[in-house]
Amino acid sequence: AAGVIQSPRHLIKEKRETATLKCYPIPRHDTVYWYQQGPGQDPQFLISFYEKMQSDKGSIPDRFSAQQFSDYHSELNMSSLELGDSALYFCASSLSGAGAGANVLTFGAGSRLTVL
Amino acid sequence: AQRVTQPEKLLSVFKGAPVELKCNYSYSGSPELFWYVQYSRQRLQLLLRHISRESIKGFTADLNKGETSFHLKKPFAQEEDSAMYYCALRGGTSYGKLTFGQGTILTVHP
Repeated sequence: AAGVIQSPRHLIKEKRETATLKCYPIPRHDTVYWYQQGPGQDPQFLISFYEKMQSDKGSIPDRFSAQQFSDYHSELNMSSLELGDSALYFCASSLSGAGAGANVLTFGAGSRLTVL
Repeated sequence: AQRVTQPEKLLSVFKGAPVELKCNYSYSGSPELFWYVQYSRQRLQLLLRHISRESIKGFTADLNKGETSFHLKKPFAQEEDSAMYYCALRGGTSYGKLTFGQGTILTVHP
């Protein structure tokens, strides 16, 4: 079965540069979540989208923005990168509703961003 | 506010021994609790959710609302259980975010 696809797997940028991460949810999933996991840290919620609208916002810096497109894929844009942005960025998707598998987050493998 | 606490950063047991990974939560409403597992160099995977009340890979977890706990248990640990385990909580809307605990690294020795 298709899983959550994230690209790129690895990305190296320099300070003050811009990075874009992409997430392709499981087909028919309508909700996408972005998490940031720093070294030795638990995943921290950044932002989520339900049916292409922002549904919740966590500890996402103002330098970051995200959106969900008509095909439900999502992109996380990060500008003016800082050393502290180096982390593993997870995307997860879920299907809303009342079914047995509904509202269960399925995670992608993550995109590892290194800022030099 | 919702908060998840996993008091043990590291847990080390021998194969065949019982294991319990502790999780306590703080949430004013009725939460939904999950356990996620992350094997070495793999993605986060759902292990259990409390509403399913099922046993996966021999693991069980019971939601104790009185103690606000959702401890993960397995009577006989296996080496392949070695992984990072995260307890997570979702409150509010059904498509709400998950709040993760700090994680517990479980190492099962032969």
